[in-house]
Amino acid sequence: AQSVTQLDSQVPVFEEAPVELRCNYSSSVSVYLFWYVQYPNQGLQLLLKYLSGSTLVKGINGFEAEFNKSQTSFHLRKPSVHISDTAEYFCAVSAGYNFNKFYFGSGTKLNVKP
Amino acid sequence: DAGVTQSPTHLIKTRGQQVTLRCSPKSGHDTVSWYQQALGQGPQFIFQYYEEEERQRGNFPDRFSGHQFPNYSSELNVNALLLGDSALYLCASRPRTDLSGANVLTFGAGSRLTVL
Repeated sequence: AQSVTQLDSQVPVFEEAPVELRCNYSSSVSVYLFWYVQYPNQGLQLLLKYLSGSTLVKGINGFEAEFNKSQTSFHLRKPSVHISDTAEYFCAVSAGYNFNKFYFGSGTKLNVKP
Repeated sequence: DAGVTQSPTHLIKTRGQQVTLRCSPKSGHDTVSWYQQALGQGPQFIFQYYEEEERQRGNFPDRFSGHQFPNYSSELNVNALLLGDSALYLCASRPRTDLSGANVLTFGAGSRLTVL
């Protein structure tokens, strides 16, 4: 079975500060990991994904994430956040090659303050 | 290039009623999945359709049913609505032939259902 845990429900941070959003997963099969962002009253937009290869993955809007198999983590980072990054962020795992069925975490609300 | 489109965007129903939500997948996508996102939670997989048949199902009761049409569009039906069915319902699509995962699920903006 697969599951995702996002340890922080809310993360407040000042503009231009670095941020890390934590994600831990469990899976009994090969994992494929994703981060999505959801702005208010909108659907989910893909930030980045890990399928294979380099464990450091770069995404859109300056975000990056590192896959750590030994710690079963896929934390999302950005070196300098902007007000426009205020949104909810979801980590998700796909069960093996089934790229239609995702298990999502409960989300982390990033609140960037001026 | 239009992405995934869903309708209606908002609707209000009362307990016991039935609702139908609609989804048009992104151009070139033939697989449609539906997710339920309750307030303050992450999306949960309801089911997946391709070739007009339900292929996978999450942990949802039979009150939740769906349909896929020959043009790949899809409907989600929920019968005997409960207060707990209030949520944002998200439709997502991708091409079935892509086994590499390169084409990630593309989500629509959702239909927000309120059950009173």
